[in-house]
Amino acid sequence: KQEVTQIPAALSVPEGENLVLNCSFTDSAIYNLQWFRQDPGKGLTSLLLIQSSQREQTSGRLNASLDKSSGRSTLYIAASQPGDSATYLCAVLNGSWGKLQFGAGTQVVVTP
Amino acid sequence: AAGVIQSPRHLIKEKRETATLKCYPIPRHDTVYWYQQGPGQDPQFLISFYEKMQSDKGSIPDRFSAQQFSDYHSELNMSSLELGDSALYFCASSRKRGPRDTQYFGPGTRLTVL
Repeated sequence: KQEVTQIPAALSVPEGENLVLNCSFTDSAIYNLQWFRQDPGKGLTSLLLIQSSQREQTSGRLNASLDKSSGRSTLYIAASQPGDSATYLCAVLNGSWGKLQFGAGTQVVVTP
Repeated sequence: AAGVIQSPRHLIKEKRETATLKCYPIPRHDTVYWYQQGPGQDPQFLISFYEKMQSDKGSIPDRFSAQQFSDYHSELNMSSLELGDSALYFCASSRKRGPRDTQYFGPGTRLTVL
C-alpha cells in the first residue's frame, strides 16, 4: 500500500531564502507526481507535474526533482517571498485510472 | 483560461439531510474526480468517472453516490448526512483517462453539517 510522507510538516524562513520541501513515497511504481499549493480554506493549485520518466520539471522560481528508485521528490522554491506562504502538498499517481494519493503537506511561512 | 467550476461554494445542512454537489469540468476534459478533505487532513479520493462511466472508487460511503452526465458535468449526492461529513469537497478534471494528464482542481465546496 502506497504511503506518501512530507517532511517537515511546517517550515518558517525569512524572505529571500530558498525553500526545500521533501516528499517521499513507499511504492516506486508511480505514473507521475504532482505538487500543489493550498492557501488556508482554499482550493488546490497545481504547480508542477513530473512524469515517471522525468527527473525534474521547472516553472519560474519552482523546480521539482523526482528520484523514483529512492521514492523521493523535492520541490525547490528560489528566493522565497511572503506570497509563497501556503501549504504545499505532493501527490502520486499509482494506478492507471488517475486517482491521486496525497501527502499531509508542508505548511510554509515566509516572513518579511 | 477556463477552470473547474464547483457549486455551491458553501453549503450548510442538518444531520440526516441530503446534499448535492455539482462539478463542471474544464471544456474538453472527459474525466472527473471527487476528493474529500477533512479539517487538517489531506484530500482523500472518493470516486472518478471517465466518459460517463465510473472508473475508480475510493473510500466513498454507501450513503454517497455520484454520476457524470452527457455534458461531462458530475454530481455528488450525499444522503443521511453525518457530522463527520463536514469537509471540503474537491472536484478535479483531466483530459483523457490515464496518467499523463494533470488533474486540475476546482475551488471546492465547503460542506458544514450541523
